[in-house]
Amino acid sequence: AQKVTQAQTEISVVEKEDVTLDCVYETRDTTYYLFWYKQPPSGELVFLIRRNSFDEQNEISGRYSWNFQKSTSSFNFTITASQVVDSAVYFCALSEFPQGGSEKLVFGKGTKLTVNP
Amino acid sequence: DVKVTQSSRYLVKRTGEKVFLECVQDMDHENMFWYRQDPGLGLRLIYFSYDVKMKEKGDIPEGYSVSREKKERFSLILESASTNQTSMYLCASTGGNEQFFGPGTRLTVL
Repeated sequence: AQKVTQAQTEISVVEKEDVTLDCVYETRDTTYYLFWYKQPPSGELVFLIRRNSFDEQNEISGRYSWNFQKSTSSFNFTITASQVVDSAVYFCALSEFPQGGSEKLVFGKGTKLTVNP
Repeated sequence: DVKVTQSSRYLVKRTGEKVFLECVQDMDHENMFWYRQDPGLGLRLIYFSYDVKMKEKGDIPEGYSVSREKKERFSLILESASTNQTSMYLCASTGGNEQFFGPGTRLTVL
């Protein structure tokens, strides 16, 4: 069965520090997608990235970067020079494709990031 | 702008009541999902639908049912609400490379 593990339950950093959120996944599929979502205190989940299992290139978007390594089944998320507005719960997710069914996501339990001024 | 809306942000109901949570998307998506989110447990899939009148059980369907009479609307029904169904409920729809989420309904069952 698919599984996503976010071992860090809570992380607290001081503004301008770099922080990495870990995500480890398990799947038997050869084709899958990995996601990161941000959930600020307002509650709405915000899509950050979707990565195809065949594309191991690292991705950078402003202060955000993602490191995908199939060899270790990891899809880690780094925030550079963190800001107070980055405070949120971050979820990693893995897609699965049940036989004959539609894609659905399996979520990790989330990492709560607090960035202190 | 892409939109998934949910009928209520906050809802308080009594044990045994029948509860309807409504979700509407305006993106003509075929796939829609209902999750519940609890502290320390992340998001868990309750039901999903890949077409009108089609539904599939997710990981925790017990105590819930769903209805999809129109493509844009996906309803979650608690036939007889219980206190262990107090939770945040999130609706989502899928299009292209992204799953879009609604703002969530925080349901309290007393």
